[in-house]
Amino acid sequence: DAKTTQPPSMDCAEGRAANLPCNHSTISGNEYVYWYRQIHSQGPQYIIHGLKNNETNEMASLIITEDRKSSTLILPHATLRDTAVYYCIVRVALYSSASKIIFGSGTRLSIRP
Amino acid sequence: GAGVSQTPSNKVTEKGKYVELRCDPISGHTALYWYRQSLGQGPEFLIYFQGTGAADDSGLPNDRFFAVRPEGSVSTLKIQRTERGDSAVYLCASSLLAQPPSEQYFGPGTRLTVT
Repeated sequence: DAKTTQPPSMDCAEGRAANLPCNHSTISGNEYVYWYRQIHSQGPQYIIHGLKNNETNEMASLIITEDRKSSTLILPHATLRDTAVYYCIVRVALYSSASKIIFGSGTRLSIRP
Repeated sequence: GAGVSQTPSNKVTEKGKYVELRCDPISGHTALYWYRQSLGQGPEFLIYFQGTGAADDSGLPNDRFFAVRPEGSVSTLKIQRTERGDSAVYLCASSLLAQPPSEQYFGPGTRLTVT
């Protein structure tokens, strides 16, 4: 699976949009971009994933650049409960050996009141 | 519906003892995963099951670690002759299918402390 690069930490004011960047310059055409987050003392929580097109769900939006070498996770109206470590991951779609998730260090997002 | 559950939530054991950690996946999920997370690190893959069989055990650190899933549902991670370095949070996840885009749902973890 391709390697991802994320800033170690970010902060955002409550109520504002939080934009978390991720670089995955070696991504292959059959690799999905996934985002998970981990709130303190809990297991990781799935947020969103995408292949080529931008995606939106009730939690967030995922913007993938046209060359697919980077992406941005957008939390539209950040709340204090969004304080967590956010992991950007790429995963190959087709092969069973790629089923495991390889987590990096993630971005620690702090929301200021 | 019910999510992934793990028991116990906390386990303290002495060095050299044997421990078992249990995972109950989401009903109907065919794939089950074990990860280990040390303080300040991201989760680290250990093993994954497709049905009853271990499809990938490349992350198990040594032969003291073993996992089973005899009926394709509940899984048990077994650690023999525990060492202080085994102290970590052990996470279990399940997914409907093994391959992406099927997402993995994680349990709350078992915090293992070896004294």
